[in-house]
Amino acid sequence: QSVLTQPPSVSAAPGQKVTISCSGSNSNIGNNYVSWYQQLPETAPKLLIYDNNKRPSGIPDRFSGSKSGTSATLGITGLQTGDEAEYYCGTWDNSLSAVVFGGGTKLTVL
Amino acid sequence: EVQLVESGGGLVQPGGSLRLSCAASGFTFSSYEMNWVRQAPGKGLEWVSYISRRGSTLYYADSVKGRFTISRDNAKNSLYLQMNTLRADDTAVYYCARDPGGRSFDYWGQGTLVTVSS
Repeated sequence: QSVLTQPPSVSAAPGQKVTISCSGSNSNIGNNYVSWYQQLPETAPKLLIYDNNKRPSGIPDRFSGSKSGTSATLGITGLQTGDEAEYYCGTWDNSLSAVVFGGGTKLTVL
Repeated sequence: EVQLVESGGGLVQPGGSLRLSCAASGFTFSSYEMNWVRQAPGKGLEWVSYISRRGSTLYYADSVKGRFTISRDNAKNSLYLQMNTLRADDTAVYYCARDPGGRSFDYWGQGTLVTVSS
């Protein structure tokens, strides 16, 4: 059971938009920055979003992040088949003194 | 180009030990905090450990506390994870990850597989 809760799977058609939620508590998301990672099959994770809504250099603006209270959301617009991957949220937890991740969300582009 | 290359994984018996290394290049290693993150086969990401720039602050996941030790050698641009008293549930791909601060991981290595089995 992960500290952060994500839906196991989401799906949408090419060109459409999808959102992935990440729910936590005041000890983690509520008081810390959230990051999002994309993991393509058989590859290492890749940072998509940091500090809730910032994109590293090279990440297209189709990817966006937001946070409200103890929840965060990753948005992906203009879906492409190459976006099919597992997506993880992560943040620091003040009570655990540990980094915590969500269980991951598998995105299927139909 | 930033590169992180893990090594040291392999097959080890339950109760055994293993030392993982992560060789860093393409950036000023001593300026960055570092972490180990693992992923069991078919499972999600699990953070393992954190070390500050000078190695003065360490954090561990409860699942490895007392068994694993993180360290770094800034002169050698290297990060280490000493793993003792290994258990079957430590079986995973272990990644080292660069942390620019704030516990976001902007670069990851390719991972090294640790298999704990008799």
